[in-house]
Amino acid sequence: DTAVSQTPKYLVTQMGNDKSIKCEQNLGHDTMYWYKQDSKKFLKIMFSYNNKELIINETVPNRFSPKSPDKAHLNLHINSLELGDSAVYFCASSYGQTKNIQYFGAGTRLSVL
Amino acid sequence: DQQVKQNSPSLSVQEGRISILNCDYTNSMFDYFLWYKKYPAEGPTFLISISSIKDKNEDGRFTVFLNKSAKHLSLHIVPSQPGDSAVYFCAASYSNAGKSTFGDGTTLTVKP
Repeated sequence: DTAVSQTPKYLVTQMGNDKSIKCEQNLGHDTMYWYKQDSKKFLKIMFSYNNKELIINETVPNRFSPKSPDKAHLNLHINSLELGDSAVYFCASSYGQTKNIQYFGAGTRLSVL
Repeated sequence: DQQVKQNSPSLSVQEGRISILNCDYTNSMFDYFLWYKKYPAEGPTFLISISSIKDKNEDGRFTVFLNKSAKHLSLHIVPSQPGDSAVYFCAASYSNAGKSTFGDGTTLTVKP
């Protein structure tokens, strides 16, 4: 059973389109995250939700909107996709007193053409 | 501003020998440090961590050392095994906020 699962694994789309990436965790964690790994390989945090409440919102274009319907799910919707949005997006989760130890999904490779 | 740096993009060692991966940070507010391992087409997997109140933490073949005055941490793998071949990321955070700053990774290759 995959602990943190993301769909889709690959996403190829045209500039200007709107797309969503879904994430689900079955670990019972209360906090979920979205990270972006760009071509320079840095993993940069974008958002974090704790029990459906937004707690971290880094400097990210407002074309990116996270949505957490419940604490086991955190989806990422991206409007008006741009070439620079091409990256690997990772979802992660953590729990309580050990928030810093995070469990990652396998990533979604987004290519904007 | 790159607050966490891994200056060696790659490292190659022979099976059975020691692997030493290094990481430097600039923000003195960081109080918790982690190492993650990542295989191709998978997400990072937590490996080992250390709090700033300690200078060493050991878990089996993996030991993390922290030198706060130098703002430097290292991961030692002894003995190295071919299955350890992966990208290793160090990360730093503070106040258990869950907001980790990652380095850009070191690719370790362990040759049989």
